[in-house]
Amino acid sequence: EPEVTQTPSHQVTQMGQEVILRCVPISNHLYFYWYRQILGQKVEFLVSFYNNEISEKSEIFDDQFSVERPDGSNFTLKIRSTKLEDSAMYFCASRRGTGNTDTQYFGPGTRLTVL
Amino acid sequence: AQSVTQPDIHITVSEGASLELRCNYSYGATPYLFWYVQSPGQGLQLLLKYFSGDTLVQGIKGFEAEFKRSQSSFNLRKPSVHWSDAAEYFCAVVTMDSNYQLIWGAGTKLIIKP
Repeated sequence: EPEVTQTPSHQVTQMGQEVILRCVPISNHLYFYWYRQILGQKVEFLVSFYNNEISEKSEIFDDQFSVERPDGSNFTLKIRSTKLEDSAMYFCASRRGTGNTDTQYFGPGTRLTVL
Repeated sequence: AQSVTQPDIHITVSEGASLELRCNYSYGATPYLFWYVQSPGQGLQLLLKYFSGDTLVQGIKGFEAEFKRSQSSFNLRKPSVHWSDAAEYFCAVVTMDSNYQLIWGAGTKLIIKP
């Protein structure tokens, strides 16, 4: 069964450094998402992406964040200058886009630790 | 604004006992409703979903959920839990207003007593 994959599984970085989190969505999916989950808190929407552009973003997704689909398979989240409060689990998701009733499938997540 | 409430932060049940996890949503119309499970160190796996039709939906791993419009609820149930069900369970909704973003509850951590 096709699945969403994410790399790395765990990333440790120093405050102020740039990080890139990578996701490979399911191959025939058209809509892509990033969510994050700070330890002990609820999952929060960051951004959605369709047709090579951002379709929606939350207040969390400020100028420090960017997303890209550099080729036909990868979907990346870049944090330009990491802060301590960026430490969280980051989940990528994708959905086929056949209608509003299709499902988002999630990757296993990347745990980002900012020191 | 839309919101999802899972009133129980933790629930402890004995192995073999029945389980019900509560979920309430706030939205004017009927949202699309989901339950996801997150095992320790793992990602989010879809258990079941409700879009329309029969208000009792069956999912994987023996779980079911019932949509009750009058109570704005979508509670998750399992008749007999197994130790492997220990995980965190998240209720989530999608609404037309949310542009298909998932809006999440805070999660309920299920602890299984041997």
